[in-house]
Amino acid sequence: DAMVIQNPRYQVTQFGKPVTLSCSQTLNHNVMYWYQQKSSQAPKLLFHYYDKDFNNEADTPDNFQSRRPNTSFCFLDIRSPGLGDAAMYLCATSTAGQIAKNIQYFGAGTRLSVL
Amino acid sequence: AQSVTQLGSHVSVSEGALVLLRCNYSSSVPPYLFWYVQYPNQGLQLLLKYTTGATLVKGINGFEAEFKKSETSFHLTKPSAHMSDAAEYFCAVSLQTGANNLFFGTGTRLTVIP
Repeated sequence: DAMVIQNPRYQVTQFGKPVTLSCSQTLNHNVMYWYQQKSSQAPKLLFHYYDKDFNNEADTPDNFQSRRPNTSFCFLDIRSPGLGDAAMYLCATSTAGQIAKNIQYFGAGTRLSVL
Repeated sequence: AQSVTQLGSHVSVSEGALVLLRCNYSSSVPPYLFWYVQYPNQGLQLLLKYTTGATLVKGINGFEAEFKKSETSFHLTKPSAHMSDAAEYFCAVSLQTGANNLFFGTGTRLTVIP
């Protein structure tokens, strides 16, 4: 089935050690999003790609970067993870035909722990 | 600016009882409205959405929601709760034009008591 896949499901990193989270999609959607969801909180949009155009939210820390080498893949890089970056990271996709209605399809998430 | 308020961070119902999860929104322009469900350690799954047309929308798993513009509400209901409905529910709003961001409420955790 077409879907949004996030790897790994669980990631443990050390304080200050760079980490990369991966998202792939078989939906051929041109928009991909990264959200951060801390415990008992709402998902918070970090940034999104519309095709190759990168759109960063104003309050996203510089510590968070993203890469989208092609339509199918998008990566979230955390350059120097702090304890406060422990969270669930959700990837989502949307297509131009649905973007005005903002229908987003979510992956299962990667839960990041920082030791 | 858009915002979403979900009244009640925790709701408990008995199995077979009515489920009512409340959502009020604030938006300067006509919004699109969504309900997502999140099971433990899972991503978000779209339950239902309101974009245009009929204000009573039906979603998956027997859920429905009604858009009431005069009350700026989009409450989620289900006539009879099932144990499998236990999850976190998020209401979200986006604009009909311009930016494509989803603004989420803080969520309501539904517990179903046998």
